Amino acid sequence: NAGVTQTPKFQVLKTGQSMTLQCAQDMNHNSMYWYRQDPGMGLRLIYYSASEGTTDKGEVPNGYNVSRLNKREFSLRLESAAPSQTSVYFCASSLFGAETYSNQPQHFGDGTRLSIL
Amino acid sequence: RKEVEQDPGPFNVPEGATVAFNCTYSNSASQSFFWYRQDCRKEPKLLMSVYSSGNEDGRFTAQLNRASQYISLLIRDSKLSDSATYLCVVNPKKDTGNQFYFGTGTSLTVIP
Repeated sequence: NAGVTQTPKFQVLKTGQSMTLQCAQDMNHNSMYWYRQDPGMGLRLIYYSASEGTTDKGEVPNGYNVSRLNKREFSLRLESAAPSQTSVYFCASSLFGAETYSNQPQHFGDGTRLSIL
Repeated sequence: RKEVEQDPGPFNVPEGATVAFNCTYSNSASQSFFWYRQDCRKEPKLLMSVYSSGNEDGRFTAQLNRASQYISLLIRDSKLSDSATYLCVVNPKKDTGNQFYFGTGTSLTVIP
């Protein structure tokens, strides 16, 4: 009963390095999301993918790119990491698309804790 | 104006107390509403969905007031294990591409 799986769980990078955060869900959800959460702040949406083949910017997309690889997988890439991107990153998924799917919540992975020095 | 607003607290209550949180939302066309719980540095977890008629799950009661555009969460007989941050979440409508809007959370500490 995996749900949403994120890898890695922890990562330390140097400024300017690149990396990709991986997310996979096994609930046959069509929508997937990437958030960041900084100390004392709420969740901020980076990018989301309403369905396979589409991606859209959220509130804080600068410095990030995403790829919706298939229905299960949605990755987040930092091309040139900056200290301001030190954060906890959460991936989430949900079911979306028809009237019968109203009140479908998001399900979260357990996060990637990223530090950039 | 923020899509979802919550009183950040903190709320410090003794064990056994009843505590209530409110949350307001700005989009009157919003369709789905949720309360999540988040423990320190962990992922948000769904506590309960909020239905138009109101709903109850054990010690927890959620209510929706569409006319005033707010949702509430009532916790009765508070336990130490209820200490967490409670997030109000609103899913406006399909046309927004299924974005979910989160409040910044209300911090609850239950004191022995």
